[in-house]
Amino acid sequence: DAGITQSPRHKVTETGTPVTLRCHQTENHRYMYWYRQDPGHGLRLIHYSYGVKDTDKGEVSDGYSVSRSKTEDFLLTLESATSSQTSVYFCAISDETGGNTIYFGEGSWLTVV
Amino acid sequence: GESVGLHLPTLSVQEGDNSIINCAYSNSASDYFIWYKQESGKGPQFIIDIRSNMDKRQGQRVTVLLNKTVKHLSLQIAATQPGDSAVYFCAENDEYGNKLVFGAGTILRVKS
Repeated sequence: DAGITQSPRHKVTETGTPVTLRCHQTENHRYMYWYRQDPGHGLRLIHYSYGVKDTDKGEVSDGYSVSRSKTEDFLLTLESATSSQTSVYFCAISDETGGNTIYFGEGSWLTVV
Repeated sequence: GESVGLHLPTLSVQEGDNSIINCAYSNSASDYFIWYKQESGKGPQFIIDIRSNMDKRQGQRVTVLLNKTVKHLSLQIAATQPGDSAVYFCAENDEYGNKLVFGAGTILRVKS
């Protein structure tokens, strides 16, 4: 295991409600990522962080925000959940970006009804 | 468990045979490539990586081949086992070299 804990692992929520997913790492890695995975789409980057309070958008960032107040924690927030955000969300970490391995957590299954 | 590969290409192999999973990449400037394995209900797991200054790299029962001329990457699994059944993803670094871009994946099914 890469020392990544995601919570909650499963959640069902109603359309329009806020949802926060948490990622906690014990590896002291600089980079943290949030991906979503949908059938036929592979893994798509939502947001990533390259340090405390340093974040940037990925390819599917609309409707999501992130925060990183500590090295070990990276939060993903859906301000007002929609059914299109039903997905599996993976947190990932890496020492460096681009040319280095990233390691994934076990995923958070989110259903918006 | 939940399925993340409803419309992915599928490779079926007999237990004990060798498997070859292929991946075409798009960015000719990519200098880093990686293969992941994802079992049902779990997160992607690192298998092996390769940099563009290499053509081949071997791990335990796995080999990655890189053909930069035709922008093709392959993963070879020797003596495939039932535990190898999973979805396999290739990834490359993006045009700026700072993020990984993932392929859609290939399902590997091992028949006993």
